[in-house]
Amino acid sequence: EVQLVESGGGLVKPGGSLRLSCAASGFTFSNAWMSWVRQAPGKGLEWVGRIKSKTDGGTTDYAAPVKGRFTISRDDSKNTLYLQMNSLKTEDTAVYYCTTGAEVWGQGTTVTVSS
Amino acid sequence: SYELTQPPSVSVSPGQTARITCSGDALPKKYAYWYQQKSGQAPVLVIYEDSKRPSGIPERFSGSSSGTMATLTISGAQVEDEADYYCYSTDSSGNLWVFGGGTKLTVL
Repeated sequence: EVQLVESGGGLVKPGGSLRLSCAASGFTFSNAWMSWVRQAPGKGLEWVGRIKSKTDGGTTDYAAPVKGRFTISRDDSKNTLYLQMNSLKTEDTAVYYCTTGAEVWGQGTTVTVSS
Repeated sequence: SYELTQPPSVSVSPGQTARITCSGDALPKKYAYWYQQKSGQAPVLVIYEDSKRPSGIPERFSGSSSGTMATLTISGAQVEDEADYYCYSTDSSGNLWVFGGGTKLTVL
């Protein structure tokens, strides 16, 4: 079964850091371009960023609101995607999803940034 | 920054055809994808590459694209189709992706 499972969400103070993980199974993770998408409470979907497969260069791209603060990485030996979030702001509060960018999505993990 | 524009809401009666549009300057050269999201659930892909339907998605869902506008059509909309729908595509560079603001479909 193709599956993505996010973890690592929680409550963090403004200015703090958090690392999300996304465990993949059921497909060849190393070949997949992976993305993070978030959804603030009551708001629409927002693309956060994407990492290409290593064979395609492994490069990353980010949405303007998170560029310079968030870093996407991958460990193909562990079939795991990461999102390192630094200098968190209250507006980063959201459910964070990992996705292959098409059909496969995780169930999401909630990040709350509040003092 | 690149934007995709959708109407905030569309309302139809059961059995009618619902059309949800998505406009963006790069759509003539970039594919559109459409997601359905019901309350409290992860998004579900209903159309990819403008007009292709994933397995398991009912045939009443179809997509098209012409010029700077992509359209999701639900022929014979049913009550269970009530949801938020988002278009998704990339800018002209192909490196930055964006969602439309979402359209709330009401079927009643």
